[in-house]
Amino acid sequence: ETGVTQTPRHLVMGMTNKKSLKCEQHLGHNAMYWYKQSAKKPLELMFVYSLEERVENNSVPSRFSPECPNSSHLFLHLHTLQPEDSALYLCASSRTGGEQFFGPGTRLTVL
Amino acid sequence: GENVEQHPSTLSVQEGDSAVIKCTYSDSASNYFPWYKQELGKGPQLIIDIRSNVGEKKDQRIAVTLNKTAKHFSLHITETQPEDSAVYFCAAIGPGGSYIPTFGRGTSLIVHP
Repeated sequence: ETGVTQTPRHLVMGMTNKKSLKCEQHLGHNAMYWYKQSAKKPLELMFVYSLEERVENNSVPSRFSPECPNSSHLFLHLHTLQPEDSALYLCASSRTGGEQFFGPGTRLTVL
Repeated sequence: GENVEQHPSTLSVQEGDSAVIKCTYSDSASNYFPWYKQELGKGPQLIIDIRSNVGEKKDQRIAVTLNKTAKHFSLHITETQPEDSAVYFCAAIGPGGSYIPTFGRGTSLIVHP
């Protein structure tokens, strides 16, 4: 285990649903990340939080809304998603300039 | 920004053979190069890394080499085993407090018993 946990591990939702993904780390890291991983595509960085402030937003549609209430927790709120948003959503954490530790991911299917 | 190219996209070897995965990067200021292994159903896990002040690093059956002049780095796995089968990602990270890695597209390594 890497010390980064994600829940749920699997999620199926309709296009009109609202759901949230949760990520938790107790490694003392000060940066947290959301990535999208689709088949046959590179890892796509979505959001970066450093010391609980969002420092990167990679042109992600507004139907994805991140939240970082403290340095140990990161959420991704989902609303009105599209089938093409189906993917593995990975959370990671790191110390500034250090290697990233990834969670196991949430496999999301949008019907 | 940084651009990382990774080759090959798929690599199939027989158990016991060696496997080599290559990456190139574009930003000469990048100074940290981690490699990740992603097994089915799991997130990527760091397996080895190298910083720009060294040319080679080894850990048992895996090694990484870095050529700063040519801006490329490689992962070498010797005496491959079926449990080495996974997707491998290279990444490059820049200096100056930047902590956001740029990842390669990944290499699917298949080791046949």
